[in-house]
Parts: sequence; C-alpha cells; structure tokens
Amino acid sequence: AQSVAQPEDQVNVAEGNPLTVKCTYSVSGNPYLFWYVQYPNRGLQFLLKYITGDNLVKGSYGFEAEFNKSQTSFHLKKPSALVSDSALYFCAVMGDNYGQNFVFGPGTRLSVLP
Amino acid sequence: DTAVSQTPKYLVTQMGNDKSIKCEQNLGHDTMYWYKQDSKKFLKIMFSYNNKELIINETVPNRFSPKSPDKAHLNLHINSLELGDSAVYFCASSHRQAGINEQFFGPGTRLTVL
Repeated sequence: AQSVAQPEDQVNVAEGNPLTVKCTYSVSGNPYLFWYVQYPNRGLQFLLKYITGDNLVKGSYGFEAEFNKSQTSFHLKKPSALVSDSALYFCAVMGDNYGQNFVFGPGTRLSVLP
Repeated sequence: DTAVSQTPKYLVTQMGNDKSIKCEQNLGHDTMYWYKQDSKKFLKIMFSYNNKELIINETVPNRFSPKSPDKAHLNLHINSLELGDSAVYFCASSHRQAGINEQFFGPGTRLTVL
C-alpha cells in the first residue's frame, strides 16, 4: 500500500531564512513524487514533481525538492522564504506499478514570519 | 481562462437532500478525479474517470455517484446527504496517457449539511 508522511503539522520560519518541509513515502515499485501548495480557500496548485533523472528538482516560485531513494524522502526546500509562501503544503506519491493512484500526505502548514 | 472549474462554490443544504456538484476542464485531459478534504485538511481521493470510464472507486458510500457525460466533465451526485458529508470537494484532471503528469485542481466546493 502507498503512504505519505509529513512529520510536521506546522513549520515556522523567519522571512529570508531557508525553509524545509519534510516528506517521506512508501510505495510499490518506483515512486513518482509531487508537491502541491494550497492557499486559504483555494484549490491545490502544482509546485514540482520527480519522475526520473536528476534527484534535485526545481519548481515554481523558487522551490526545489530532493529525491533521496535510500531515505525514501522528498523534502521541499527554498533558500529564502517569503511571507507570501505561508500556506498549506502537500506531498503526494504514486507508484509505477499498475493501478496505483495518487496518495496525498496530511499536509504541513508553513508560516513565514516577517 | 479557467482550467478546472466547479459549481457551485458553496452549497448549504439540509440532511436528507440530494445535491450535485459540477466540474468541467478545458485542458484536454483524459482523466478526472474527485477528492474530499475534511475539516483537518486531509485530502482523500473518491473517484477517478479515464476517458469517461470509472477507474478508481475508493471506499465511498454508494450515496455518492459520479457521472461523466464526456471527457471534459465529471459531476458528483450525492443522495440522502448526511452531516458527515460536510467538507470541501475538489475536482481535478490530468493527462495520464501522456505519462505521469501532475493533476490540476479546481477551486473547490464547500458543502455544508445542516
């Protein structure tokens, strides 16, 4: 069975500091990994994905994520946080075995303090 | 142009009523989804349709029935509404035939059952 863990319900960071939002996963087969952001009263917006290739993936709004197969992790990072980055972040995974679906993590609320 | 649209945005109704939520995508995608996001922001897939055929039907009460008149539309009908159905429902779409691609989400429909 597929699963995604986001061990932190809440992450607080000062504006201008680097941020990390953690994600670990479990799938059958190779993983396809995604990050989404949700602003208040809005739908989810795609940030970035890892399918294959370079372990460091760059996405929208200056975000990047690093795929680590041995640690089964896909942490989201940004070198310098903005107050406008404050939102709910979801990690999602899908395995490459037939019939598997997207599974979303429980979400991490990021607060960037001015 | 709106990529994935849902109507209505808000839906307030009494227990026992029957209601529908409509979803349309203009992205030319072949797969559409319905998700339920509960009050704790946990996101769970309900249904997935690929080219008008049901491919995922998670453990959802049979009071919920998706209808896909064509590839661009996936409507959600809910019969005999219960208090526990109160949540935000998101429609999404993706182009699975083109490979493993991210899902695009609608703005959500907030359902409140009184």
